[in-house]
Formats: sequence, C-alpha cells, structure tokens
Amino acid sequence: KNEVEQSPQNLTAQEGEFITINCSYSVGISALHWLQQHPGGGIVSLFMLSSGKKKHGRLIATINIQEKHSSLHITASHPRDSAVYICAVSTGFTDKLIFGTGTRLQVFP
Amino acid sequence: DTEVTQTPKHLVMGMTNKKSLKCEQHMGHRAMYWYKQKAKKPPELMFVYSYEKLSINESVPSRFSPECPNSSLLNLHLHALQPEDSALYLCASSHVGTGDQPQHFGDGTRLSIL
Repeated sequence: KNEVEQSPQNLTAQEGEFITINCSYSVGISALHWLQQHPGGGIVSLFMLSSGKKKHGRLIATINIQEKHSSLHITASHPRDSAVYICAVSTGFTDKLIFGTGTRLQVFP
Repeated sequence: DTEVTQTPKHLVMGMTNKKSLKCEQHMGHRAMYWYKQKAKKPPELMFVYSYEKLSINESVPSRFSPECPNSSLLNLHLHALQPEDSALYLCASSHVGTGDQPQHFGDGTRLSIL
C-alpha cells in the first residue's frame, strides 16, 4: 500500500463545476504539498500546509491531521485547470517528499 | 516562466555519449534536487544537495553523476545511459528544511536515449 493515496485517479468535469481531489496518507508528516503539472511541463507548487485551510484564487486546500486526509478544491473550474494534481508529504526528517500517484483532471468547455 | 531554469529543454543522445543537464536558480535557495519522471508517473527523487553537499542519493546508478559547483547551479552528468533512462528530468530548489519548505521546479529536460 502506498504511503500517499490519491483519489480519484482520473476526473473529468464541465466548465464551472466544483471539483474535489482527495489525498490520504499513512505516515506522520511535517507538511503536505499540493502540486500542479500541465502536460509536458514543469511542476508548480500550489500549496504547502500543515494544518487548517489555505485559499488562493479559486483553489482551496484543507488538511485534517487527525484523519490524515487533505482535499484540494477548485471552484468554478475552467479548461485551463486541466492538469495533473499531485499530493506529496514530507515526514520532517529530510527534505525528501513522498508523492501520491496524481489525479489527472480534464475540464471541458 | 519559472524561477528555476533548466537546459537543455530536449536532449537526444546515444548510449555511448556523455552529456550534462544544467539547472540554475537565483532565489537564494540552498537545497537543490534532481528528479526523474516517467510518463504518467509521479516524480522519483534522485539526489538532494544541501548547502552544496550531497545529502541524499536514492541509490541512483553511477551512470548519473550529480555536481553542485555553487549555490546557484546544479548539474547532472550523464554517461553510458540505457534506453530505460529516457524520461523527463526535473530540477527543483528550496530553502533548507525538513520538507516544510515549498519546492520550486524547473520545466524539465526531456531526455531520449537511442
């Protein structure tokens, strides 16, 4: 079993829909990272959080430390949100990240 | 545009060639990383440099040789690669911490081994 699990693996949506991507982890963490990767390209760090909730534009990330679960929400989705979203955690001993397998999101007009 | 610059963007090389991948950042970060990413898979950590010293080597074959000549530059020297080494190679940087610093990624070098 992977230490970081994401669901769903694939997600399609119509423009304007509210989207939720889930991440569960089984190790103790110092921080959880949400990353975005567009096709063929580099990775952008969206959020890093260790508690509570963070918001940036239409993106919201939450984490529940007791339940070892995080969610990434996208409000009013747009085709440009189409990308792979990756959850990663750090255990606090090194700079190494443990990655989830990613969620491939396609938003259609 | 990203703040971590990787060159070249694409590289095709034969199995007997020697080439180098380069990564540069000017954000004052003292931790730098090399990742390998195969299609539809998450990145796999290869190496971490902290304060210009190799701190993590994830049992990477010796045909990959990292180098951190100064705090802004990170190289990955390639020699005698195999076709299975074809992948996207990503560089990242961050402030030194215990995984509690956001990592800034470059756009990657897409490497093809003939």
